[in-house]
Amino acid sequence: KNEVEQSPQNLTAQEGEFITINCSYSVGISALHWLQQHPGGGIVSLFMLSSGKKKHGRLIATINIQEKHSSLHITASHPRDSAVYICAAPNYGGSQGNLIFGKGTKLSVKP
Amino acid sequence: NAGVTQTPKFRVLKTGQSMTLLCAQDMNHEYMYWYRQDPGMGLRLIHYSVGEGTTAKGEVPDGYNVSRLKKQNFLLGLESAAPSQTSVYFCASSYVSPYNEQFFGPGTRLTVL
Repeated sequence: KNEVEQSPQNLTAQEGEFITINCSYSVGISALHWLQQHPGGGIVSLFMLSSGKKKHGRLIATINIQEKHSSLHITASHPRDSAVYICAAPNYGGSQGNLIFGKGTKLSVKP
Repeated sequence: NAGVTQTPKFRVLKTGQSMTLLCAQDMNHEYMYWYRQDPGMGLRLIHYSVGEGTTAKGEVPDGYNVSRLKKQNFLLGLESAAPSQTSVYFCASSYVSPYNEQFFGPGTRLTVL
């Protein structure tokens, strides 16, 4: 079973700061997912990446397949970025339909 | 397009009662999933379906049953609710593979007393 670990669990930042959230996994994968869970509970997919880097607005996701590690960066953070960020990796050895989800990083950006 | 919808949004049950959660998607996705989310834990897969008429067990299937009679609908049933099933339930769907982008419903908050 793929083990997915995120750090930190909680993160408080001041508006404008550069944010980094880390995700590591134990079993080699083809792609990793980053998701955002809003304070109201809704979950949206941010990125799915298999190599290198992807950018969407102020969000940047990177992955190092050899080191089994991915990072999510937020530049010029804003209070509206406050949310729980979740990474997920395929569980090839488990149920066919399985993604293994990290426990999430709760980000709070203060004005 | 509504995307993925779930009914109901909230429900309180007494131990031993039964209920059905409904998930509907209008994106013509083949794969559908039911997850539960508990404090301090990641999303965990309960059951999933790879197409109309098919269902399979996920990581935590005990105490739940599912059906996918129509491609757009995926039902999650609790036959005899227990307090351990108090959780937030999310439905999701994806087009071809579970490893592709998954689209989530808004969630159902279930409390079992």
